[in-house]
Amino acid sequence: EAGVTQSPTHLIKTRGQQATLRCSPISGHTSVYWYQQALGLGLQFLLWYDEGEERNRGNFPPRFSGRQFPNYSSELNVNALELEDSALYLCASRARGAGTTFFGQGTRLTVV
Amino acid sequence: KQEVTQIPAALSVPEGENLVLNCSFTDSAIYNLQWFRQDPGKGLTSLLLIQSSQREQTSGRLNASLDKSSGRSTLYIAASQPGDSATYLCAVRLEAGGTSYGKLTFGQGTILTVHP
Repeated sequence: EAGVTQSPTHLIKTRGQQATLRCSPISGHTSVYWYQQALGLGLQFLLWYDEGEERNRGNFPPRFSGRQFPNYSSELNVNALELEDSALYLCASRARGAGTTFFGQGTRLTVV
Repeated sequence: KQEVTQIPAALSVPEGENLVLNCSFTDSAIYNLQWFRQDPGKGLTSLLLIQSSQREQTSGRLNASLDKSSGRSTLYIAASQPGDSATYLCAVRLEAGGTSYGKLTFGQGTILTVHP
């Protein structure tokens, strides 16, 4: 069974551009989470989607947005990129009612 | 607001030692607690999940305990190996309701180095 898959693995963007990160959850999982892990910092919660709806949002500006598609895959969009947006972005998924949350390998976003 | 603290921040041990990693959380109204491992630059690998009604879980050389009332969990690693070197993270999920609903709140992690 495939795990959580994220694409691309690496992404290099220029300040002011937009970045789109994609995530495919484990088959059957309806919840998708996005986390940011900046260098030297802990994991910061960004967004939680479940059944196509945004359920919770972390303390990030509105230029961080996303959506969940009918097949439960998700994308994270970051507009007007800033240098401090450089980080490892992790996607995770969880089945309805289940406890364990599974993470993907992440997308390394570098803003230059 | 839920806060999760992990002690120690870093640990270096010789191969073969048994070791204990600590995790504490401020809000005891948790749904579950999960331990993860992260290798440098990689994603998180789930190690153990403990539901709020459970006291401990075991997987191979790993044993995790949970004392919900005191807000503490420990991860015990037996007979450590160099391959165990990684950052270990604990995360809690609160019960329904509030701004922390549904998400995992992470500690800062313990960086473990096991040298041959």
